[in-house]
Amino acid sequence: NAGVTQTPKFQVLKTGQSMTLQCAQDMNHEYMSWYRQDPGMGLRLIHYSVGAGITDQGEVPNGYNVSRSTTEDFPLRLLSAAPSQTSVYFCASSTDRGGLNGYTFGSGTRLTVV
Amino acid sequence: AQKITQTQPGMFVQEKEAVTLDCTYDTSDPSYGLFWYKQPSSGEMIFLIYQGSYDQQNATEGRYSLNFQKARKSANLVISASQLGDSAMYFCAMRENKAAGNKLTFGGGTRVLVKP
Repeated sequence: NAGVTQTPKFQVLKTGQSMTLQCAQDMNHEYMSWYRQDPGMGLRLIHYSVGAGITDQGEVPNGYNVSRSTTEDFPLRLLSAAPSQTSVYFCASSTDRGGLNGYTFGSGTRLTVV
Repeated sequence: AQKITQTQPGMFVQEKEAVTLDCTYDTSDPSYGLFWYKQPSSGEMIFLIYQGSYDQQNATEGRYSLNFQKARKSANLVISASQLGDSAMYFCAMRENKAAGNKLTFGGGTRVLVKP
């Protein structure tokens, strides 16, 4: 099915470990972004990309790295996991900003850092 | 200052009744879009409705309508004829078109519980 695919769906990490959350879309969307959702809160932007090779920081970028080598993929790397990074992570893709253009969200990755 | 404010952390609504979820926003960008998303307990983000800042009419999508009051910077979601399946978290979000990256800014959400 077309859309945004996130893997894994669940992950438990120990403090200090690193890992990569994968995000892939097959809609040829130029914009991709990563959000985190803490319990009882809305989503906050971590990093975003406006196209292959171009990324920038969002509201809460510390502790995360991204890269975008292809249009389809936008992985999020946790460099050294901390308990404060326990959250649900959503990847989203979208096309140009004009008019009504919905965003497609992945199903989320629930990450627990112990 | 918060860009998106949802003042109702939670609310109950009787099945078949209408419910209004409040959302106020703050932006200096004259061109922006406002979105509502539903997040059921399963966790996925479901797009409900969109309103552009230059749209002359309030947006409607089935049982969802958006009460857009531009001067008051208000974009309330109205759900008519509530159903048990409407029980979920609801998020208001804004895209400011001058900002790079097609970014969305979310409010803190309102949890709706529909009572039979």
